[in-house]
Amino acid sequence: LAKTTQPISMDSYEGQEVNITCSHNNIATNDYITWYQQFPSQGPRFIIQGYKTKVTNEVASLFIPADRKSSTLSLPRVSLSDTAVYYCLVPSLYSGGGADGLTFGKGTHLIIQP
Amino acid sequence: GAGVSQSPRYKVAKRGQDVALRCDPISGHVSLFWYQQALGQGPEFLTYFQNEAQLDKSGLPSDRFFAERPEGSVSTLKIQRTQQEDSAVYLCASTPGAVGDNEQFFGPGTRLTVL
Repeated sequence: LAKTTQPISMDSYEGQEVNITCSHNNIATNDYITWYQQFPSQGPRFIIQGYKTKVTNEVASLFIPADRKSSTLSLPRVSLSDTAVYYCLVPSLYSGGGADGLTFGKGTHLIIQP
Repeated sequence: GAGVSQSPRYKVAKRGQDVALRCDPISGHVSLFWYQQALGQGPEFLTYFQNEAQLDKSGLPSDRFFAERPEGSVSTLKIQRTQQEDSAVYLCASTPGAVGDNEQFFGPGTRLTVL
């Protein structure tokens, strides 16, 4: 059973703000929400991580509502180089050592046009 | 500093051959993860180590897949009697501590093609 749900694809244009929303209805109290970016022939790259409310770094912002059942990655003023696949993860480690939420799913294919 | 490295970057194997894929995590990183990424799909979790202990191997697709990290640093993913469905990119990632609140640092992957 997939732990996160996000759109398969999105299109936008250079200079626009792009918002990608991820659903994670079964998020646990101790879980963090993490977003990764992947370009072809490369490993995923960490973008941002948050627990609640809003987190901002030099690349993106992450908005998390109070119930934490969803999150929105916001990319300001995108450029052609932001064309990539974006993954939302909610990784968990069990006290016994097992891991959950580490499969990335299909992600969101973001295509930026001139 | 050096990131996660993987070798070889590309591997072609004939069906039935055994292969070994190496991952060198960032020095000092406690946790190490292996993923399999098929064409057009996202990375799928295979297994996870904390130091030398393999804490989760629930994602390994069959008993032909085996991973080890004997000294808590370098890890090897071994695939015995390779099959065509094993063709994929194998990604390794490491984190300084437990994964829950740590970003994973990924290597470039090893692209395995089984003929």
